[in-house]
Amino acid sequence: QKEVEQDPGPLSVPEGAIVSLNCTYSNSAFQYFMWYRQYSRKGPELLMYTYSSGNKEDGRFTAQVDKSSKYISLFIRDSQPSDSATYLCAMSNYGQNFVFGPGTRLSVLP
Amino acid sequence: DTAVSQTPKYLVTQMGNDKSIKCEQNLGHDTMYWYKQDSKKFLKIMFSYNNKELIINETVPNRFSPKSPDKAHLNLHINSLELGDSAVYFCASNQGGNTEAFFGQGTRLTVV
Repeated sequence: QKEVEQDPGPLSVPEGAIVSLNCTYSNSAFQYFMWYRQYSRKGPELLMYTYSSGNKEDGRFTAQVDKSSKYISLFIRDSQPSDSATYLCAMSNYGQNFVFGPGTRLSVLP
Repeated sequence: DTAVSQTPKYLVTQMGNDKSIKCEQNLGHDTMYWYKQDSKKFLKIMFSYNNKELIINETVPNRFSPKSPDKAHLNLHINSLELGDSAVYFCASNQGGNTEAFFGQGTRLTVV
């Protein structure tokens, strides 16, 4: 089993839809959970991060962590064409490297 | 005033050549990384340095040698390039532990 699993997509949704992106992980030592967005031919940029189980909201984005199920999600409300990108989950244990999921390619159609 | 900058952005070279990619961060971070992103977009760590000291060295051919002259710089030298080395290489930095990593724009290496 890979350490972090993520559906690679592609995922196509109409503008205005709610998008749900998910990752599962196997290492219960992970404490720090992140979502990165990567536009084509650009470096990943951090969207959100959280330490704890529960929800964290930032504008149209909500990150959700369920440590008991080893499952994290990113929700995008009122999705826009400019949200079209690859979304990578990442996680780490203190002092260790970040482990990335393979990314989900999202297209929001106008 | 780019936070993490890497050069060159594009690199096309022949098999067997030796090449270097440079990375610099002006964020004052202690930890720097090199990641490889393959054609399937999977980001995989190669090396991690903390304060010029090698912390992580994943299973990478020894043709790849990182060099950190100071904590703001982490360069990647690749000997005897092979076709399979073609990928995008990203440099990143953070303050270590659980703080978020900032990525450079990537170096697209194509070996022909």
